[in-house]
Amino acid sequence: GDSVTQMEGPVTLSEEAFLTINCTYTATGYPSLFWYVQYPGEGLQLLLKATKADDKGSNKGFEATYRKETTSFHLEKGSVQVSDSAVYFCALSIIQGAQKLVFGQGTRLTINP
Amino acid sequence: NAGVTQTPKFRVLKTGQSMTLLCAQDMNHEYMYWYRQDPGMGLRLIHYSVGEGTTAKGEVPDGYNVSRLKKQNFLLGLESAAPSQTSVYFCASSYLGQKNTEAFFGQGTRLTVV
Repeated sequence: GDSVTQMEGPVTLSEEAFLTINCTYTATGYPSLFWYVQYPGEGLQLLLKATKADDKGSNKGFEATYRKETTSFHLEKGSVQVSDSAVYFCALSIIQGAQKLVFGQGTRLTINP
Repeated sequence: NAGVTQTPKFRVLKTGQSMTLLCAQDMNHEYMYWYRQDPGMGLRLIHYSVGEGTTAKGEVPDGYNVSRLKKQNFLLGLESAAPSQTSVYFCASSYLGQKNTEAFFGQGTRLTVV
């Protein structure tokens, strides 16, 4: 079945460090891929997305590239800030009757000053 | 801009009690969803609706019922709560339900069943 696997957390980094959160997926067909972010006490909000192979999504300094050959959508940021501390979810989206979002387990990121 | 609003935000239930979670969206979205979030398991789809008057089962529907009597509202009911239903519940909506469409989430309801 369709699934998303994220690197296990929690991840703790110092401010200005480089961030990578790995995400791989299994899907029938051609999904769209998303990264959602959940700040403490809030719901999920879209961080970035990519809808076809080789697309790069970017927002707030974060980037992820849709790699069909490796079925991956790794999240990267060159220099993290304390305000980036949150839980990050990788998700794929397909159509099965309606839009179906399949989420990874989430990666908790903590940035220390 | 309200977006997606969930009520209540917190609730403690005793085993066997019933309750209804309300989700309201003001974006005129056709599609609405209920998810539960459990540690280490991401979000799992409980039920969804593709329009007013329609509902369908998701990945983990057992123990829950839903109704979509008005386009803007999607209700999630627990008829007889069980400790296994302790979780954080999120409602979401999307405009067209296409695979590249962003879903908008509410702030969540933290439910504890004792």
